[in-house]
Formats: sequence, structure tokens, C-alpha cells
Amino acid sequence: EVHLVEAGGDLVQPGGSLRLSCAASGFTFSDFEMNWVRQAAGKGLEWISYISRTGNFIYYGDSVKGRFSISRDNAKDLLYLQLNGLRVEDTAVYYCAREGPEFNFDYWGRGTPVTVS
Amino acid sequence: SSGLTQDPAVSVALGQTIRITCQGDSLKNFYASWYQQKPGQAPILVIYAGNKRPSGIPGRFSGSSSGNTSSLTITGAQAEDEGDYYCNSRDRSGGRGFGGGTRLTVL
Repeated sequence: EVHLVEAGGDLVQPGGSLRLSCAASGFTFSDFEMNWVRQAAGKGLEWISYISRTGNFIYYGDSVKGRFSISRDNAKDLLYLQLNGLRVEDTAVYYCAREGPEFNFDYWGRGTPVTVS
Repeated sequence: SSGLTQDPAVSVALGQTIRITCQGDSLKNFYASWYQQKPGQAPILVIYAGNKRPSGIPGRFSGSSSGNTSSLTITGAQAEDEGDYYCNSRDRSGGRGFGGGTRLTVL
């Protein structure tokens, strides 16, 4: 069974940094593209970042470009998101999501909360 | 902005049919996927590649598309279908994006 478990969310001051991780299990991690998606309280889903199977291709949403960095360790089945220059508006639950065929997100973790205050 | 537009809220009588739409230029070139989210839970995929259902998703969920509009149809809505529904797709530059979400109320 596919499992994605995020960790690393915390309370941090504006301008601070955090590193989120997502532990994958139940599938061959290196065979799948991965994404980070966030959701502020009472708001909609916001796509944050994408990484290809090998990490050769990476994309970011406009709101985090230049501040956040996605990476992966296929040997450890781990996905990461480095959050720098955090702003109050980055406060949200951060989900990792596996990308299935035709650009969909077929499995999601339960999310990890990040509060910037 | 993702460039995907959804109606903020819709309602449907129990057992009736509802169509939720998503509009955007990217949908002329890329399939939409649809997600259901209930309070306090992660989203789940209900339709992908325009009209395919993942294993475990009831047959009352279906998808379609025409031009720059993709639709999610629930035929015979049930009380458990209440929640927020989001469309998503990718764009030409490789990014992904979500619509603003549609809150479905089953009356």
C-alpha cells in the first residue's frame, strides 16, 4: 500500500527556514515524479513544486520561486522541501503528492503544518 | 494564479445529478484531474486523464471535457459526496495548478 508521510512542520519566525521531508513507501519511489502542495486554513489547494524522477527537472509556483527548493533522495525514498525566507503568508499545511499518469496527484500524505508568526 | 476557474459553490438535491466545471486555457492542451476533499482530510483523486476513475471511486463520478472546459459530473449524488472539489492540470511551462475549488452541498 502506498504511504506518504510528511514531517518537519513547525512554528517559525518570519525570515526563518524549515526543511520538510516526505517518506515514501509501498511503491518504487524512483519511478514516480513528486510534488508539494500547500493549503492555508480555509483556503484552496496551491501547487508549490514538482520534481522529476531523477531530479533533472524542477518547477516552482510563482509565490515560492527563489525561496523554496525541492529535492529527493531516491536511495532513501525521501522527498524534501527547503523553505527559506518564510513569510506569514506561507502558513499552511504542506502535502507531498505522488504524480500519476497525465499529471494527476494519485496519492497524498496527511500533511505537515507550517506556521510563520 | 493557476489560470483554472471554478464556481465557488454549488448544491444538489440528494439523488440528483450535478456538474462541476473548470475553465482554463491549459485545458485545451492538457487533461484535467479532479479531487474531493473533506474537512480535515487530504484530497483524494476521483477523476484523472479527463474521464478515468481510480480504483475504489464510485461509478457515479465521471469526467468530460470540451475546449477549455472540463467537467466533473456526479450522477445520483449521495450525502457522502459533500465536500470541496478541485480541478488541476499542468501548463505549457511545466508547472501544475489547481482551480479555486467548488464547495458541494447535498441537500
